[in-house]
Amino acid sequence: QKEVEQNSGPLSVPEGAIASLNCTYSDRGSQSFFWYRQYSGKSPELIMFIYSNGDKEDGRFTAQLNKASQYVSLLIRDSQPSDSATYLCAASSGSARQLTFGSGTQLTVLP
Amino acid sequence: SQTIHQWPATLVQPVGSPLSLECTVEGTSNPNLYWYRQAAGRGLQLLFYSVGIGQISSEVPQNLSASRPQDRQFILSSKKLLLSDSGFYLCAWSPGPYNEQFFGPGTRLTVL
Repeated sequence: QKEVEQNSGPLSVPEGAIASLNCTYSDRGSQSFFWYRQYSGKSPELIMFIYSNGDKEDGRFTAQLNKASQYVSLLIRDSQPSDSATYLCAASSGSARQLTFGSGTQLTVLP
Repeated sequence: SQTIHQWPATLVQPVGSPLSLECTVEGTSNPNLYWYRQAAGRGLQLLFYSVGIGQISSEVPQNLSASRPQDRQFILSSKKLLLSDSGFYLCAWSPGPYNEQFFGPGTRLTVL
């Protein structure tokens, strides 16, 4: 059974700090990995995706992938109170590249 | 640009009643389409996906069914709702090839 595990949190960081979110996956056949942000009561919003080992940066966000360790992470630099949300990690696999989601990590950025 | 619509936004239904939720995508053709359910405080569970008209794959045996009558339309149905069907139903589309999925605004369903 394909699984994606995340620390449920909650994770609290002060404004301006780096927030580090982690995720592991069980299916070695997973091809791509995604980070979504979900505000309370809203639908998930895509932040980044990564499919190659290493780092991928987009503004204040950096995704890191280590396929040997089956580990994905998301770093948020200069965290802002508006970053407070639940962050969902997902891995894609299968013919239609279906996504398997983790249960999410709740992040609170304290002003 | 592409837009995904879902309706209704909220729905309260009695146990045993039928269900029909609709999802449409604009601005793209032949998308992959997905239905997810998110129970309160939980992660997203993939229910169905479709790679083309009339092609439906089910991920989880359940009280629900899906149909894709047109290229950009995806419908989630039930003949008789259960209490356990309550949740936040999300439709998503994907353009490929790296399968980034984009979610619609969702339908919040409460079964009483």
